[in-house]
Amino acid sequence: NAGVMQNPRHLVRRRGQEARLRCSPMKGHSHVYWYRQLPEEGLKFMVYLQKENIIDESGMPKERFSAEFPKEGPSILRIQQVVRGDSAAYFCASSRSFQETQYFGPGTRLLVL
Amino acid sequence: EDKVVQSPLSLVVHEGDTVTLNCSYEVTNFRSLLWYKQEKKAPTFLFMLTSSGIEKKSGRLSSILDKKELFSILNITATQTGDSAVYLCATPSGNSGYALNFGKGTSLLVTP
Repeated sequence: NAGVMQNPRHLVRRRGQEARLRCSPMKGHSHVYWYRQLPEEGLKFMVYLQKENIIDESGMPKERFSAEFPKEGPSILRIQQVVRGDSAAYFCASSRSFQETQYFGPGTRLLVL
Repeated sequence: EDKVVQSPLSLVVHEGDTVTLNCSYEVTNFRSLLWYKQEKKAPTFLFMLTSSGIEKKSGRLSSILDKKELFSILNITATQTGDSAVYLCATPSGNSGYALNFGKGTSLLVTP
């Protein structure tokens, strides 16, 4: 039973480029959460999605960041015009239903040069 | 504002030692407290605690919650080098119930 999958595991971008991070939830899970871990900081909630719906994006920066979870395919976290401060580890988690235990993927480590 | 504070921030022990990791929290509407183990990859779920005073065990790991004093401890007995990791404590946000608030973690190093 595959766990939460994320790709790429490492991503290097230059300032101004776009970063696309993908997350496939565990089988049977339809709730996806994205978290960001900055250096020396704890994980911070960004956004919560269900299939085709953004439920809560209160933790996401207002500009340049967007997320989607289409009917088919993985959830995507998109960062446009990346800046150095976006360098962080981005983790995706999934759960079977609302407020159930969240299981995490291995993360994507984004480095902006 | 919801808050989760872990201590110590880092710890070095010898194989075979017993360690206790601490997590204190402030949450407006407490639902549960979770422990995760983070190595160089995914945070791995360890325990979810909802009731005070009931110990949860998994092998050499155990955890207990005190809802009166607002803290939890994670015990690891007979530590092994494979226990070296960052241990994370989290509570669901009081408002949403799903957005996890994490502490900064305790970095544990077990030396041979």
